[in-house]
Amino acid sequence: TQLLEQSPQFLSIQEGENLTVYCNSSSVFSSLQWYRQEPGEGPVLLVTVVTGGEVKKLKRLTFQFGDARKDSSLHITAAQPGDTGLYLCAGESSSGTYKYIFGTGTRLKVLA
Amino acid sequence: SQTIHQWPATLVQPVGSPLSLECTVEGTSNPNLYWYRQAAGRGLQLLFYSVGIGQISSEVPQNLSASRPQDRQFILSSKKLLLSDSGFYLCAWSRLQFLDTQYFGPGTRLTVL
Repeated sequence: TQLLEQSPQFLSIQEGENLTVYCNSSSVFSSLQWYRQEPGEGPVLLVTVVTGGEVKKLKRLTFQFGDARKDSSLHITAAQPGDTGLYLCAGESSSGTYKYIFGTGTRLKVLA
Repeated sequence: SQTIHQWPATLVQPVGSPLSLECTVEGTSNPNLYWYRQAAGRGLQLLFYSVGIGQISSEVPQNLSASRPQDRQFILSSKKLLLSDSGFYLCAWSRLQFLDTQYFGPGTRLTVL
């Protein structure tokens, strides 16, 4: 069974600080996605990473896919209150059936 | 453009009552459809997915069932709800392509009392 563990589970920081969220598995994934979810809404895709070692930047967010495609990280620079939310990683199942396995989630709160 | 709808938005049901949650997608054809359940503040658990009309794959044994009577309609049902069925239910769709995005609906908050 493929599982994705995220750490930390909760994170509360001050505006302007940097942070990193991790997504780890013992399994290899074909691709990995990061989502952000606001309370009471569905998750919204931030990025998809495909190649081992790949780094993608989205404004203040930097996403990295591990060389072995078993882990990923999300780094936020100079966090803002608007970054508050639940961050979810999701790996595409290696079974080739377009199923996505979601991580346990990291709840981020950025204080003004 | 494509949109995904879920209803109802919130639902409070007694234990032992039936359930029917509906999800519809507009603006695309032959999508992959998914039902997820999310515990409070946690990740999503895939319950069912469908690659076509009448084709349902169940991911975890449970008290729920799913049906896809039309190409863009996905229904989550139960004959008798349990307390443990409470949660936030999300429907999603994606195209039948590698690496494609999943687009999520607004969700249904189900409380079983």
